[in-house]
Amino acid sequence: LAKTTQPISMDSYEGQEVNITCSHNNIATNDYITWYQQFPSQGPRFIIQGYKTKVTNEVASLFIPADRKSSTLSLPRVSLSDTAVYYCLVGDMAEAGRRALTFGSGTRLQVQP
Amino acid sequence: GAVVSQHPSRVICKSGTSVKIECRSLDFQATTMFWYRQFPKQSLMLMATSNEGSKATYEQGVEKDKFLINHASLTLSTLTVTSAHPEDSSFYICSARTLRETQYFGPGTRLLVL
Repeated sequence: LAKTTQPISMDSYEGQEVNITCSHNNIATNDYITWYQQFPSQGPRFIIQGYKTKVTNEVASLFIPADRKSSTLSLPRVSLSDTAVYYCLVGDMAEAGRRALTFGSGTRLQVQP
Repeated sequence: GAVVSQHPSRVICKSGTSVKIECRSLDFQATTMFWYRQFPKQSLMLMATSNEGSKATYEQGVEKDKFLINHASLTLSTLTVTSAHPEDSSFYICSARTLRETQYFGPGTRLLVL
């Protein structure tokens, strides 16, 4: 799986939009980009997945530039409950489905009132 | 999304005893399940890959005789920590793969060995 680099931590305030960028310079042609959210003492929760351009769901948006060497998770109008660790993972989903996901250090997001 | 459950959610045991943790995929069949361990303030670390009907594949440094994994059906995998010691205290998380290849994670099991 391609190595990823994320900021260790980020701070924000309630109601703001938060953008977390992940670098994956050696992403391969068949690789997808997946983001997970983890609260303390809970398992990671799938947020969003994409291959290129933009993907949006009810929780977040994922922006992927044309070169796909980075991606940005966008959380609109965060609340205190969005305080968590966010992991960016990159890999061939067909392969990743059979192989375990490798987690980096993630980004610890702290939302203040 | 797909639902993965774990039982128990929390367990406290005495040193030397064995503990079994169950991982179930509730609304899908999972041919592959994965077991992770997470220590405080650290990321998830893969322990083993469990395939239905075959032996588990363990990561380097993980003792297969200590962490017994059984994947007897398409919806159930179990992890047994044998002769648990205080250093085995950790947060154990399983994940299961859906047909669409996305991996979904269980809520985790907190193990405390006294």
